Amino acid sequence: KQEVTQIPAALSVPEGENLVLNCSFTDSAIYNLQWFRQDPGKGLTSLLLIQSSQREQTSGRLNASLDKSSGRSTLYIAASQPGDSATYLCAVTYGNNRLAFGKGNQVVVIP
Amino acid sequence: EPEVTQTPSHQVTQMGQEVILRCVPISNHLYFYWYRQILGQKVEFLVSFYNNEISEKSEIFDDQFSVERPDGSNFTLKIRSTKLEDSAMYFCASTREAPLYEQYFGPGTRLTVT
Repeated sequence: KQEVTQIPAALSVPEGENLVLNCSFTDSAIYNLQWFRQDPGKGLTSLLLIQSSQREQTSGRLNASLDKSSGRSTLYIAASQPGDSATYLCAVTYGNNRLAFGKGNQVVVIP
Repeated sequence: EPEVTQTPSHQVTQMGQEVILRCVPISNHLYFYWYRQILGQKVEFLVSFYNNEISEKSEIFDDQFSVERPDGSNFTLKIRSTKLEDSAMYFCASTREAPLYEQYFGPGTRLTVT
């Protein structure tokens, strides 16, 4: 069974600092990995998708890396802003294309 | 930009009642999913649907649950006899081609069973 873990569970950073969010998964037989953003009581917004053959993916201030063999991904958010405050979810696609999610990294950016 | 929509946004029902949660996936997508998130817990996969049939279901998706694509646009999740533990946020998702493309999620339906 695929297990996804995200560390740290929660963090607070001052505005302008870079954010580093970690995700690990137990089974390296994945198709891809997706990072999502979730605001309280809201749906999931897809941020980045990394295919299993890729090492990283970038979108604006966001950069995600993937090391499939060691079962790890890292999401970097550069120059954090208060609007980046949210929960960030990591999910891997495996099996018959189901997503397995981590519990999330809850981020607070302090102005 | 196309998006997945879900109705209702919040549904309150009594234990033992049937509920139907509705979703309109993105129009050119072919794969559809339901997930749920119990408060404070991980998002969990329930079922995937392709070509008018279930392609995979989790152990959560028992005989109380069913899915249907009644027409060319809607995708529904039915819970026949709700239990207190069915209270959760239910998310619909769709993707163009699995498993290589992103899954796009709807805003969710909060189901409260009393």
